[in-house]
Amino acid sequence: DGGITQSPKYLFRKEGQNVTLSCEQNLNHDAMYWYRQDPGQGLRLIYYSQIVNDFQKGDIAEGYSVSREKKESFPLTVTSAQKNPTAFYLCASSMRGLATEAFFGQGTRLTVV
Amino acid sequence: SQQGEEDPQALSIQEGENATMNCSYKTSINNLQWYRQNSGRGLVHLILIRSNEREKHSGRLRVTLDTSKKSSSLLITASRAADTASYFCATDRNSGNTPLVFGKGTRLSVIA
Repeated sequence: DGGITQSPKYLFRKEGQNVTLSCEQNLNHDAMYWYRQDPGQGLRLIYYSQIVNDFQKGDIAEGYSVSREKKESFPLTVTSAQKNPTAFYLCASSMRGLATEAFFGQGTRLTVV
Repeated sequence: SQQGEEDPQALSIQEGENATMNCSYKTSINNLQWYRQNSGRGLVHLILIRSNEREKHSGRLRVTLDTSKKSSSLLITASRAADTASYFCATDRNSGNTPLVFGKGTRLSVIA
């Protein structure tokens, strides 16, 4: 079953903690992305990666970090520097080219407690 | 940076009616895509229309693109309660090899 898997579905973070959101795909896609979704604001791009060991900042990269050590995996770390991390985080991938059809995971809802 | 902007923000219709959502964008594009999102879930790709196409159909979906007006519309015919979701348009940026930029979406409610 090909697809893109995000885990966990729900995540709670204490103030000052770093947390890592997992994103794995078995679609053999080159490009992967992280978006943040807040109510009424649509999706905003955090980071993206076109190939292994390379990634670029999106529109709201501050307070986040990523790695792309394997083609299948693109984890996102929400650091303590991110002042308002409560949001719905979506990972996506696409086959080739950055503006082709994107396949999304089911999302991780992060809440600061 | 906002590229696409959907209109209306919310739409409520009766089952069986048609639903029309619009998207306007700011810069030239290679293609425009429409996605659907059920509440609390990921987005699902519906249809892609290239900049040299004017209209495209997929089942009950009809998408038009007017590059001179920088706008697109998504028509869902004979709507069903299961069509209740948010619908987003997405474009690239300035015709380059760039990640998709999404609008804020239209929340569609189809009442049975």
